[in-house]
Amino acid sequence: EPEVTQTPSHQVTQMGQEVILRCVPISNHLYFYWYRQILGQKVEFLVSFYNNEISEKSEIFDDQFSVERPDGSNFTLKIRSTKLEDSAMYFCASSDERNEQFFGPGTRLTVL
Amino acid sequence: AQSVSQHNHHVILSEAASLELGCNYSYGGTVNLFWYVQYPGQHLQLLLKYFSGDPLVKGIKGFEAEFIKSKFSFNLRKPSVQWSDTAEYFCAVLPTGRRALTFGSGTRLQVQP
Repeated sequence: EPEVTQTPSHQVTQMGQEVILRCVPISNHLYFYWYRQILGQKVEFLVSFYNNEISEKSEIFDDQFSVERPDGSNFTLKIRSTKLEDSAMYFCASSDERNEQFFGPGTRLTVL
Repeated sequence: AQSVSQHNHHVILSEAASLELGCNYSYGGTVNLFWYVQYPGQHLQLLLKYFSGDPLVKGIKGFEAEFIKSKFSFNLRKPSVQWSDTAEYFCAVLPTGRRALTFGSGTRLQVQP
């Protein structure tokens, strides 16, 4: 069964550093998403991406965040200058036009 | 903005007991509804979904959910749980035409053998 994959599984970084989280969506999906879950809190939507542009984003997704599909298979989330409060589990998801979103295993980001 | 409430944060059941997990949402328009499950150490998996039509939807592993529009509810049920159902269960709502899922806080189900 096709699945969404994410790398790395765990990323530790210093405050102020840039991080790039990577995702490989399911190959025939056209819609891509990032969500995050801060420890003990709800899963929160960050951004959706379709046809090489952001189609929807939340208030959390401010100027320090960006997304990119650099090639035909990867989908990345960049955090330009990490803050302590960015520590969370980041989930990538993808869907076809029916909007059944399939999630990856997540990247645990720890900002020190 | 829409929101989702899952009233049961932690449920402990014995094997073969029946399960019902509550999910209520607030949103004025039409929605799609989902239940996701996260087994220990694994990622979120889609358990079942409601888009339209029959309000009683069946998912994988014997789970079902009923959409009651008048109550803004989408409760998850299983007649007889197994130890392997131990997991965290998340209800999510998606307003029609949108892409952003809004999740509830999750219910941790522990099934004792």
